[in-house]
Amino acid sequence: AQSVAQPEDQVNVAEGNPLTVKCTYSVSGNPYLFWYVQYPNRGLQFLLKYITGDNLVKGSYGFEAEFNKSQTSFHLKKPSALVSDSALYFCAVRATNQAGTALIFGKGTTLSVSS
Amino acid sequence: AAGVIQSPRHLIKEKRETATLKCYPIPRHDTVYWYQQGPGQDPQFLISFYEKMQSDKGSIPDRFSAQQFSDYHSELNMSSLELGDSALYFCASSLGHSSLAQPQHFGDGTRLSIL
Repeated sequence: AQSVAQPEDQVNVAEGNPLTVKCTYSVSGNPYLFWYVQYPNRGLQFLLKYITGDNLVKGSYGFEAEFNKSQTSFHLKKPSALVSDSALYFCAVRATNQAGTALIFGKGTTLSVSS
Repeated sequence: AAGVIQSPRHLIKEKRETATLKCYPIPRHDTVYWYQQGPGQDPQFLISFYEKMQSDKGSIPDRFSAQQFSDYHSELNMSSLELGDSALYFCASSLGHSSLAQPQHFGDGTRLSIL
């Protein structure tokens, strides 16, 4: 069965410092990996995805993620954190490319950026 | 850009009542997904539709049903509501026919409270 693990419930960083939010996955076959961000009382906003190709994926708002097949990881990164980046971050995987295939989410990581 | 529209945003019901949640996907999107997010939880997949046919099924209770209409909007019908059904219900949409895994775009959700 496919699954996603986000080992940290919360990540605290100071504004201007680099941030990393960790994600590992388990799926048979090729993974389709996604990162979403959720602000309070809002829906999930798509940040970036890895389907194939370059292991370093660039996304919205200066975020990027590095796919590592040997470690089955897909960590989210940003070189310089902003206070406005404070939110709940979800890593997700889908096992197939077929239409309608569900996303399986990790438990989420709360990012807190202090000024 | 147009986003996924969900209505109502908030809904209060009593136990054993019924509820209908509506979702209007992004224009030209042919695939819709329903997720349930409990307090402090990750979104759990309920059901999805591609071109008006059920595509994938998750942890949707038998008391719930859903359908996708000819204009691609979708409705989630919930009966015999229980206290445990209190949650945020998200709809997401995507282009299902693409050759690459398209991201799911989420609405802001319907917050259902059962008294």
